[in-house]
Amino acid sequence: DIQMAQSPSTLSASVGDSVSITCRASQSVSAWLAWYQEKPGKAPKLLIYKASALQGGVPSRFSGSGSGTEFTLTISSLQTDDFATYYCHQYSGYPYTFGQGTKLQLK
Amino acid sequence: EVQLVESGGGLVQPGGSLRLSCAASGFTFNNYNMNWVRQAPGKGLEWVAYIHSTSTTMYYADSVKGRCTISRDNAKESLNLQINDLRAEDTAVYYCAREAFRSGFPGGFDYWGQGALVTVSS
Repeated sequence: DIQMAQSPSTLSASVGDSVSITCRASQSVSAWLAWYQEKPGKAPKLLIYKASALQGGVPSRFSGSGSGTEFTLTISSLQTDDFATYYCHQYSGYPYTFGQGTKLQLK
Repeated sequence: EVQLVESGGGLVQPGGSLRLSCAASGFTFNNYNMNWVRQAPGKGLEWVAYIHSTSTTMYYADSVKGRCTISRDNAKESLNLQINDLRAEDTAVYYCAREAFRSGFPGGFDYWGQGALVTVSS
């Protein structure tokens, strides 16, 4: 199985900051990687697919990069609405796997 | 508008069985592969099962393999998950999720239901 290691597990930042979250795969997943945002009591929301493609309707302050085993989600100019938990997800092969999540909290 | 609505959750005793359903609308259901993903209380996301649009292929997480059956009825635009021999560690919110299809390739899960809570407890 492909393991996904996300870091950090918690991230404190202020409105207007830029932050990055890293996801490392235990083996290459090529670019078959997605990022989701989750808020309490709500279903996850797809932000990025194929490592760097922005899902329709997602603000351009969200960006993804990487390929192979190392990936980054960057959020520039944080807004209040961005404080949430973020997950990476590899869909290169079954079983699909998720990272353990990064909670982005207000400093 | 794409909608996925889960039903069938509830309180089940250990060793019991449960069938979750997901009603789809707002898109051509039989064109999409579907998945179940779960989230235990206070924990992260865990992929559970996959089914191809034509039901020709299914995959399962090791944690549910042998106890779980994913199925779909394209005529009724519904997705199902039968879980047997339920354990405390199966307690979670179960989401159905549509797999996006971009230029012939998978593209993440672009629509999710609101989730159905399954609690396994005596």
